Amino acid sequence: QKEVEQDPGPLSVPEGAIVSLNCTYSNSAFQYFMWYRQYSRKGPELLMYTYSSGNKEDGRFTAQVDKSSKYISLFIRDSQPSDSATYLCAMTDDYKLSFGAGTTVTVRA
Amino acid sequence: EAGVTQSPTHLIKTRGQQATLRCSPISGHTSVYWYQQALGLGLQFLLWYDEGEERNRGNFPPRFSGRQFPNYSSELNVNALELEDSALYLCASSADRVRTEAFFGQGTRLTVV
Repeated sequence: QKEVEQDPGPLSVPEGAIVSLNCTYSNSAFQYFMWYRQYSRKGPELLMYTYSSGNKEDGRFTAQVDKSSKYISLFIRDSQPSDSATYLCAMTDDYKLSFGAGTTVTVRA
Repeated sequence: EAGVTQSPTHLIKTRGQQATLRCSPISGHTSVYWYQQALGLGLQFLLWYDEGEERNRGNFPPRFSGRQFPNYSSELNVNALELEDSALYLCASSADRVRTEAFFGQGTRLTVV
């Protein structure tokens, strides 16, 4: 079993829809959680960083962490074609930064 | 503020040769991470350096090695290149081991022919 599980999709939504992404993890030592966006053949771009259970909002993006369920989510409101990318969850203990496989999202105009 | 920079952007090598990839972290960042991303695959952890020391290593053969310099820049060396080493190699840096945000460079695309 992988430490971090993420549905690779692909996920296709119409412009303006809410995009819902999630990851589950098995290592209870993970304390810090991140979401990255990666466009094709580019380096991942950090979107959100959280270190506690609950919600964090930044513009159209909301990150949720539920440590009791070992489950994290990212929501993108009012999605735009420019949001089409691969989204990666990441999480850390004191020894490594582990990534999910990434979910490919296409927002249709 | 300059982000994480990697060089070269592209590198073409012949099977059996050695490749050296370089990474300059964000100013003030002391941790550097290296990842391999083969086409269509996720990020595979290679190495983590912090304060000049190798702190953790992923499940890769010993021909993947690296080091971190006193200015916290880092290089990744891949010896005896194999065709399956062709991938995007990504470097990330953070300010406080793995406890703060990690920022990535744009990567070095290594092609082994």
